[in-house]
Amino acid sequence: EAGVAQSPRYKIIEKRQSVAFWCNPISGHATLYWYQQILGQGPKLLIQFQNNGVVDDSQLPKDRFSAERLKGVDSTLKIQPAKLEDSAVYLCASSLVIRTGGVHNEQFFGPGTRLTVL
Amino acid sequence: AQSVSQHNHHVILSEAASLELGCNYSYGGTVNLFWYVQYPGQHLQLLLKYFSGDPLVKGIKGFEAEFIKSKFSFNLRKPSVQWSDTAEYFCAVIPNSGYALNFGKGTSLLVTP
Repeated sequence: EAGVAQSPRYKIIEKRQSVAFWCNPISGHATLYWYQQILGQGPKLLIQFQNNGVVDDSQLPKDRFSAERLKGVDSTLKIQPAKLEDSAVYLCASSLVIRTGGVHNEQFFGPGTRLTVL
Repeated sequence: AQSVSQHNHHVILSEAASLELGCNYSYGGTVNLFWYVQYPGQHLQLLLKYFSGDPLVKGIKGFEAEFIKSKFSFNLRKPSVQWSDTAEYFCAVIPNSGYALNFGKGTSLLVTP
């Protein structure tokens, strides 16, 4: 089966510019996650969707970050304007649903987009 | 604050050595526990997971992990590592009431021939 697709794989921008990342989850997966992984740290959740609704965006810096999943399939994460500290790998993950029978489903990760802000 | 701690940030082992990577968490209540691995140039993939039952969990590629509830620990082990095990290893926790993975900072493992 095809995995989680992300594009672009790499992006270099200057601070105060805008950038957008795209994610296409595994077919049939209702839940989609965006994580931010800063060098030397583990991934941190930014936002989670169930179909086209937001489940959790408590750690999304809403003054500059936005995300949407309009048709409940692919998703876009945008940063506007970017800051130096936004340099990181942005990971998209998907799972069938959040839980099945009370057990959390496995999350499948994409290759990530490496963002460098100069 | 709730967190996931991985004790070793960088580990270097020779092939055939035994491996144990420590992971402790500070979440109360029931938790779901995971180890993810990221091989060089590849994406994160699940190594093993624990939800309930037998606290000794077996995963792919000969890895296993033991859940010790009293110690809030979920340590990863492998009796004999191979050069191909060189990778970044992440421990992650989802509280049963939560939704998303909470990751540790990761351990970089280098296996030398």
